[in-house]
Amino acid sequence: NAGVTQTPKFQVLKTGQSMTLQCAQDMNHNSMYWYRQDPGMGLRLIYYSASEGTTDKGEVPNGYNVSRLNKREFSLRLESAAPSQTSVYFCASSEGPRSGNTIYFGEGSWLTVV
Amino acid sequence: QKEVEQNSGPLSVPEGAIASLNCTYSDRGSQSFFWYRQYSGKSPELIMSIYSNGDKEDGRFTAQLNKASQYVSLLIRDSQPSDSATYLCLSGGGADGLTFGKGTHLIIQP
Repeated sequence: NAGVTQTPKFQVLKTGQSMTLQCAQDMNHNSMYWYRQDPGMGLRLIYYSASEGTTDKGEVPNGYNVSRLNKREFSLRLESAAPSQTSVYFCASSEGPRSGNTIYFGEGSWLTVV
Repeated sequence: QKEVEQNSGPLSVPEGAIASLNCTYSDRGSQSFFWYRQYSGKSPELIMSIYSNGDKEDGRFTAQLNKASQYVSLLIRDSQPSDSATYLCLSGGGADGLTFGKGTHLIIQP
């Protein structure tokens, strides 16, 4: 009964370092999302993948790249981390992007860039 | 510009009272609406979904939708301290896809 699993849960990076956040879902969902959440800013969409093989920019894509490795997995990469990327990152999935189906969230990844 | 507006709060409600959370949305094409609860340091979890005008009840929770007024609300009856959290409104199914509000911070006072 895993749902959406994301790793790592906590990470500290130095400015300029790179890292990849991993996400996998076991609900056979078509759509996957990466959000970041900052105090007072709510959830902001970074990138999403409506279906396997497609990815699209969200509201705040700068400084990030994504890969939809297969239907289950959707990774988020920070090529050169900056302190402004300190945030909580949530991966999520749903049956479809516009179908109105429920979005299910992973437990979050707390990233600090120093 | 797609928008989902919520009062950020904090909204303070005495234990046992009814908590009323409100949300307005700008995308007239939105077809589905969701309320999520998020405890501090945790991920959002679904409480209610609503697709049609009117009320939908689930235990102590009632979601209300008025598409003509582009308004959706969540009522929590017999509020408990464990209901203290941030509540996020999500609209979906319209031209702009999925849009979250910034959330309302609810505090239930014992």
